[in-house]
Amino acid sequence: GESVGLHLPTLSVQEGDNSIINCAYSNSASDYFIWYKQESGKGPQFIIDIRSNMDKRQGQRVTVLLNKTVKHLSLQIAATQPGDSAVYFCAENKDDYKLSFGAGTTVTVRA
Amino acid sequence: EPEVTQTPSHQVTQMGQEVILRCVPISNHLYFYWYRQILGQKVEFLVSFYNNEISEKSEIFDDQFSVERPDGSNFTLKIRSTKLEDSAMYFCASSTGTGGNQPQHFGDGTRLSIL
Repeated sequence: GESVGLHLPTLSVQEGDNSIINCAYSNSASDYFIWYKQESGKGPQFIIDIRSNMDKRQGQRVTVLLNKTVKHLSLQIAATQPGDSAVYFCAENKDDYKLSFGAGTTVTVRA
Repeated sequence: EPEVTQTPSHQVTQMGQEVILRCVPISNHLYFYWYRQILGQKVEFLVSFYNNEISEKSEIFDDQFSVERPDGSNFTLKIRSTKLEDSAMYFCASSTGTGGNQPQHFGDGTRLSIL
């Protein structure tokens, strides 16, 4: 069936280290993927997106990798900072209107 | 940077009462959405709206729910007769288009508490 999920519900990372957040999806028809960050009391904040015709996209301190062979998506955060502490969601879209969200990974940055 | 704004931030309502949640999408966006997030769960799609009509809705969006764009700036979600299980965060989102490279941008939500 269709689902977007994350491998781990929590991730603890030392400040300054790199973070890797993983997401698995099962719908091979999905062609657009987005990572959102949600801080406490806030709505999902767009971080970075990628289309299915790409396997890597870089932003400022973030990189998204897409492996369509194994239906896997990851978000890499370089030099993690305390402000990166949040819940991270991957979401998929298959050229329709709705986004399907995964369950989220809570990232905690240790000082 | 333009943003989606939602009011009120918190709404407390008696079960069975009607509630209207309000949103002002980003001004040049054409597609509007409502999502909800029950405490501790993932964000769920409710409905999308384009060109003054519903373009897609989920199973959650039953006859108790309706959406409206009453003027050029507001986008509302109405729940006609609220139930306890309607308690959740409700997020409005908007986008310039659908699909790739046109991400949906979200407001900070309305926390709806049904008593």
